[in-house]
Amino acid sequence: TQLLEQSPQFLSIQEGENLTVYCNSSSVFSSLQWYRQEPGEGPVLLVTVVTGGEVKKLKRLTFQFGDARKDSSLHITAAQPGDTGLYLCAVLLFSWGKLQFGAGTQVVVTP
Amino acid sequence: SQTIHQWPATLVQPVGSPLSLECTVEGTSNPNLYWYRQAAGRGLQLLFYSVGIGQISSEVPQNLSASRPQDRQFILSSKKLLLSDSGFYLCAWNTAYEQYFGPGTRLTVT
Repeated sequence: TQLLEQSPQFLSIQEGENLTVYCNSSSVFSSLQWYRQEPGEGPVLLVTVVTGGEVKKLKRLTFQFGDARKDSSLHITAAQPGDTGLYLCAVLLFSWGKLQFGAGTQVVVTP
Repeated sequence: SQTIHQWPATLVQPVGSPLSLECTVEGTSNPNLYWYRQAAGRGLQLLFYSVGIGQISSEVPQNLSASRPQDRQFILSSKKLLLSDSGFYLCAWNTAYEQYFGPGTRLTVT
């Protein structure tokens, strides 16, 4: 079983619509990260959330860490084609930098 | 600023042939280095990590090996490729809490 379950696996929406993707686990984490990966490139860190209930905003992206620090969500408002990509959540398992990634949500935003 | 390089960018190799992928990091010293493999459109699987020269830890048993001959150089190798070795290979290094990824190598084993 996956430590991090991401849903949905795939999401296709029209430009201007809103979307939410989820990252869930039965384990408690001290922090959780979201990465975005564009085709043919490496993932790029978007945000790190560390406090239960924390909400962080990055332009049209809103990230929330669950109160119990077991889950997280990413909400995109008024999606644009540039938001297309694979969204990955990850948790730091050891202090030296071992990350465990979820399987990702593939988001496609069409004009 | 730190930069991470990987080459080649793409590679097509026949089954049974050897493999060598190289990763180098600039702008930092004694980084932790990582090799990941990614299936199409899916998450990342950690293959190897290294905390220093000559120190390699393997995460999963497989047909691959890794070496770190220099502080900022990380090499992924195989003596004989399998079809299942196809994928997108990513090298990464990290600060305390963030990983930075290279541009990746797309490997197709035919």
